[in-house]
Amino acid sequence: SQKIEQNSEALNIQEGKTATLTCNYTNYSPAYLQWYRQDPGRGPVFLLLIRENEKEKRKERLKVTFDTTLKQSLFHITASQPADSATYLCASATYNQGGKLIFGQGTELSVKP
Amino acid sequence: DSGVTQTPKHLITATGQRVTLRCSPRSGDLSVYWYQQSLDQGLQFLIQYYNGEERAKGNILERFSAQQFPDLHSELNLSSLELGDSALYFCASSVDSGGTGNTIYFGEGSWLTVV
Repeated sequence: SQKIEQNSEALNIQEGKTATLTCNYTNYSPAYLQWYRQDPGRGPVFLLLIRENEKEKRKERLKVTFDTTLKQSLFHITASQPADSATYLCASATYNQGGKLIFGQGTELSVKP
Repeated sequence: DSGVTQTPKHLITATGQRVTLRCSPRSGDLSVYWYQQSLDQGLQFLIQYYNGEERAKGNILERFSAQQFPDLHSELNLSSLELGDSALYFCASSVDSGGTGNTIYFGEGSWLTVV
């Protein structure tokens, strides 16, 4: 079955450093991957999308890569700030399943001042 | 504020009961999605409706059902509730039928506690 995995361990980094989060998928080829931010008790908020034919996308301090050979996406937050502390979710979709997204378990990021 | 409105925000009910969760999508969005988030299962896709018709289905239990009305709001009905149904239920919406990469906007969720 389609499966997407993220590091379950929380990531603790110092303010100003780059946070790198990993998302791996198995048993299928996503048409695209999306990254969301979720704060406790709140709904996920869309951050970035990267398609299967794209290697890298950027938005302000955010960067996402998509490696179809490794079956992996990396999500980077540069110059991290305490306000970036949240859970980050990776989600995948294929073109023949409507709008269904398969989510990873999320990685909790904590940025210390 | 995503523009997706969910009610109620919190709900406590007993096992065996039935509840209805309501969702109003963003203005102009034709698709509505329902997701369940629990601590052990993460965010799980339940079902999607597009312009009133079922578009995609996940591992939604037979005790659960949903529909989208002509005004595009949606309801998720959960019946014969069990303790394991306690979770945060999210509604989301998007402008198209999905699978194109268009942004999906999530509501703030309905917390369901079954006691």
